Amino acid sequence: AQSVTQPDIHITVSEGASLELRCNYSYGATPYLFWYVQSPGQGLQLLLKYFSGDTLVQGIKGFEAEFKRSQSSFNLRKPSVHWSDAAEYFCAVGASSNFGNEKLTFGTGTRLTIIP
Amino acid sequence: DAGVIQSPRHEVTEMGQEVTLRCKPISGHDYLFWYRQTMMRGLELLIYFNNNVPIDDSGMPEDRFSAKMPNASFSTLKIQPSEPRDSAVYFCASSSSSWYGYTFGSGTRLTVV
Repeated sequence: AQSVTQPDIHITVSEGASLELRCNYSYGATPYLFWYVQSPGQGLQLLLKYFSGDTLVQGIKGFEAEFKRSQSSFNLRKPSVHWSDAAEYFCAVGASSNFGNEKLTFGTGTRLTIIP
Repeated sequence: DAGVIQSPRHEVTEMGQEVTLRCKPISGHDYLFWYRQTMMRGLELLIYFNNNVPIDDSGMPEDRFSAKMPNASFSTLKIQPSEPRDSAVYFCASSSSSWYGYTFGSGTRLTVV
């Protein structure tokens, strides 16, 4: 069974600073990996996804993530954060045999706070 | 596209009452998922459907919970009788075989008092 670990429960970053949110996964084969963002009172919105190919994937809102098989990681990055990036971020893993449409397993989330 | 539509947005009910949550997936999506989000347990998959057929309901906490998908454009999650520990945000999400990743609804915040 797949699993996801987001080691950081809460991160505080100054506006304009760079950001990296950590995600480690456990899965026997090549996983399908996702990052979602949840603003207060809202549902989850897909930021980016990785299935195969280039290990550096670009997403919406200026985010990117890098798949590192050797480290079982899929960390999310942004070079310069904006106050509007304050939200909860979830990493998720799906079984590659089902194209990621079945049973996505989510991490516990990282809450991002932005300070002026 | 209006996205995944859930109703109601908020529900407050008394313990023992029946609660029905509703979801309209994105037209053309053939997968539908029900998740529950709590502070203690995070996001838990309750059940999912493919082409209106339940595929995996192993996440449904107990017999008080039931879900149906009578057609491709509608699904319900019912709790009967409700208990305070059912208080959570319930999300519906849909997806397509030809597109990888879920689209979530805005959720239903359920409070059982």
